[in-house]
Amino acid sequence: DVKVTQSSRYLVKRTGEKVFLECVQDMDHENMFWYRQDPGLGLRLIYFSYDVKMKEKGDIPEGYSVSREKKERFSLILESASTNQTSMYLCASSLAGSSSYEQYFGPGTRLTVT
Amino acid sequence: SQQGEEDPQALSIQEGENATMNCSYKTSINNLQWYRQNSGRGLVHLILIRSNEREKHSGRLRVTLDTSKKSSSLLITASRAADTASYFCATERGAQKLVFGQGTRLTINP
Repeated sequence: DVKVTQSSRYLVKRTGEKVFLECVQDMDHENMFWYRQDPGLGLRLIYFSYDVKMKEKGDIPEGYSVSREKKERFSLILESASTNQTSMYLCASSLAGSSSYEQYFGPGTRLTVT
Repeated sequence: SQQGEEDPQALSIQEGENATMNCSYKTSINNLQWYRQNSGRGLVHLILIRSNEREKHSGRLRVTLDTSKKSSSLLITASRAADTASYFCATERGAQKLVFGQGTRLTINP
């Protein structure tokens, strides 16, 4: 069974803290994605990665960075958390070269920045 | 930018009834996918329909695609309480990425 796991289901951090969100997939997928989901705004792509050490900006990369040192792991970093980064964060992966681009999602991390 | 837009934004029906959700998109596609999201969880892939298909079935799900109107519909027959969730359509936006609509919140009342 395919699996994408995220390090925390709920996280509360203070403004200005550095925050790490970890995502691990066990499907040997090349592609990995980070989204944030907010009411009324749907899923917005923050960053994605096609391969180890490769990363590309999505639609809303400001205030975020990512790291992909190993194929199975994709980390999202909030350099200095702010209250407007309170959101649900979703990680996903997909198989490169797939004609469907079907994505497999983790359970999400609900981050609250106070 | 959002490619797919679902309609309605929210739908509430009685258990046993059928639920229909619609998705419109703007540019030509190779395929369209539907996902489900249970409250506070990640998305789960339901079904994919390719641009050369008009209809596809999976269990109680039926998806149609009309490329001339750039629209798709998802029909859930004989709804159950467990079908309560948000449903999203997704289309490819190039470079193996997907763009998701804002979703339809479906509530099944007992």
